[in-house]
Amino acid sequence: AQRVTQPEKLLSVFKGAPVELKCNYSYSGSPELFWYVQYSRQRLQLLLRHISRESIKGFTADLNKGETSFHLKKPFAQEEDSAMYYCALYTNTGNQFYFGTGTSLTVIP
Amino acid sequence: DVKVTQSSRYLVKRTGEKVFLECVQDMDHENMFWYRQDPGLGLRLIYFSYDVKMKEKGDIPEGYSVSREKKERFSLILESASTNQTSMYLCASTLRGAEAFFGQGTRLTVV
Repeated sequence: AQRVTQPEKLLSVFKGAPVELKCNYSYSGSPELFWYVQYSRQRLQLLLRHISRESIKGFTADLNKGETSFHLKKPFAQEEDSAMYYCALYTNTGNQFYFGTGTSLTVIP
Repeated sequence: DVKVTQSSRYLVKRTGEKVFLECVQDMDHENMFWYRQDPGLGLRLIYFSYDVKMKEKGDIPEGYSVSREKKERFSLILESASTNQTSMYLCASTLRGAEAFFGQGTRLTVV
């Protein structure tokens, strides 16, 4: 079952342009959603989680239960934002983390 | 400040060999996970464990087994390696529902 969907495998934007990485989920319970980022040659790390409702490195993400979405947004992309981004769903009933297929973001100077 | 450590960064094994991938965490986390990461497929859950000696199958357990004899260590075993198991393997640990910490990954090549 596809629990987390990231429709874009590749996304390119110009520096200073807004960026939105899409994520939709499928889960009947109460979801806990995360965005993870993997920079070149670094390990996967947490970017933000919906519970904290904070902005990290200028990124924000709002959980929309009606649309079952958790899109990641940043108003002005920077070159250092180029990375692979994964949306993740934690199911507290099954104690599992599920990840999407990832979106590779390239910010063009 | 390394919290999750995978025993090997790169491995090359022959078809049919038994392969052990080790993962150790120093955060006293209950939950540990093994994923494989393939281009275009994202992270796919192989197995996870929520306690010592407990294990649960993920989405793609075929051809793999796991062992968790101690809380800090979670091993992934390829009983008889095949070329389609060539991949990047990631280990992660977490407290229930909290941030998952990942290892640096093991790139396994089966020839």
